[in-house]
Amino acid sequence: EIVLTQSPATLSLSPGERATLSCGASQSVSSSYLAWYQQKPGLAPRLLIYDASSRATGIPDRFSGSGSGTDFTLTISRLEPEDFAVYYCQQYGSSPWTFGQGTKVEIK
Amino acid sequence: QVTLRESGPALVKPTQTLTLTCTFSGFSLSTSGMCVSWIRQPPGKALEWLARIDWDDDKYYSTSLKTRLTISKDTSKNQVVLTMTNMDPVDTATYYCARIGSCMTGYFDYWGQGTLVTVSS
Repeated sequence: EIVLTQSPATLSLSPGERATLSCGASQSVSSSYLAWYQQKPGLAPRLLIYDASSRATGIPDRFSGSGSGTDFTLTISRLEPEDFAVYYCQQYGSSPWTFGQGTKVEIK
Repeated sequence: QVTLRESGPALVKPTQTLTLTCTFSGFSLSTSGMCVSWIRQPPGKALEWLARIDWDDDKYYSTSLKTRLTISKDTSKNQVVLTMTNMDPVDTATYYCARIGSCMTGYFDYWGQGTLVTVSS
């Protein structure tokens, strides 16, 4: 089973700043089959990025994903007030699919 | 548009069997390449993938939970059912069903709102 480790656990930033979230895999994720989700309190996760770097429908271009192999990054270029949330990475390159433990982006 | 909705008991007792139903619209599980999964999230914790069922009735389960899980579908009713046996308080979580747009991939493009299941005597 591939273990995903997200860092940092919490990121304290101000609106307008750049956020860089990391997701490290214990083994190489085949075909860069990695997704990122955003979750706000009391709501279901929302797909942001799939295949490591493809934005899902309707996702603003301030969200971008990169990486391959065992190291992946989600970047939010300029934080908007609605971006403060918890972010999860998920790999679907090998079964069982697994999620990271999440990074909370909070207002500084 | 695509929607999914989970339903089932809010409270179950330890050792009981949990049955959850995902009712969806906007797509069909008889369409080639379509899949639905169940994912859970204990309060304040991370997401955990549980099971998946494909349009051709192939099924996949979490390694750690596969002896307790059964996933099935009723294509005519647009429903997917998950059963989990021998429930324990550690199984207290919000249970989500989610669509996978293509079984060849594995990312979840649409999610239900989730249903909170508490396991307690």
